[in-house]
Amino acid sequence: AQKITQTQPGMFVQEKEAVTLDCTYDTSDPSYGLFWYKQPSSGEMIFLIYQGSYDQQNATEGRYSLNFQKARKSANLVISASQLGDSAMYFCAMREGIYRDDKIIFGKGTRLHILP
Amino acid sequence: DSGVTQTPKHLITATGQRVTLRCSPRSGDLSVYWYQQSLDQGLQFLIQYYNGEERAKGNILERFSAQQFPDLHSELNLSSLELGDSALYFCASSSVGSGTGAYGYTFGSGTRLTVV
Repeated sequence: AQKITQTQPGMFVQEKEAVTLDCTYDTSDPSYGLFWYKQPSSGEMIFLIYQGSYDQQNATEGRYSLNFQKARKSANLVISASQLGDSAMYFCAMREGIYRDDKIIFGKGTRLHILP
Repeated sequence: DSGVTQTPKHLITATGQRVTLRCSPRSGDLSVYWYQQSLDQGLQFLIQYYNGEERAKGNILERFSAQQFPDLHSELNLSSLELGDSALYFCASSSVGSGTGAYGYTFGSGTRLTVV
């Protein structure tokens, strides 16, 4: 069974510093996709970044990058130059299998607080 | 507007009652997923429908049921409600080859259910 582990329930970071949110996953399927979502206090789920298991390079989207270490089954999210608006809950998630409409499983999340 | 519409946005009801949550997927998306997010918890996968058929089932209680109609909208029925059913219920949709660049979901804004 697929599993996502986020070991940091909460983090406090000074504004403008870089942030790394940890995520490890477990799957026996060689084909999978990894996601990060942001959930601000308003509640909506905002897609941030995606990494496919066969992608050779780490994914990047603006200030977000995904540090993908396949052998360690690790998919950490890095936010560069953090901003006050980055304060939110962050979820790591995984889709197992080759079908793009398979379900996505979420970790328990990390609550990030950016300090001015 | 993400293109996924959930109604109602808020719902307050008493224990023992039954409610129906509605979701209209993004145009062209065939899959609908339902998730439950309890306070400060991750998203728990409940059930997935694909083009009217049940595709995958997660930790959905027997008191809960869902269906997807020919027009692809979906309804999640929650009956014999308990205080612990209070949560944010998300609907998401996707389609194989949807071209999102992320092969992920489009989330609705959620229905916040409060059972009193």
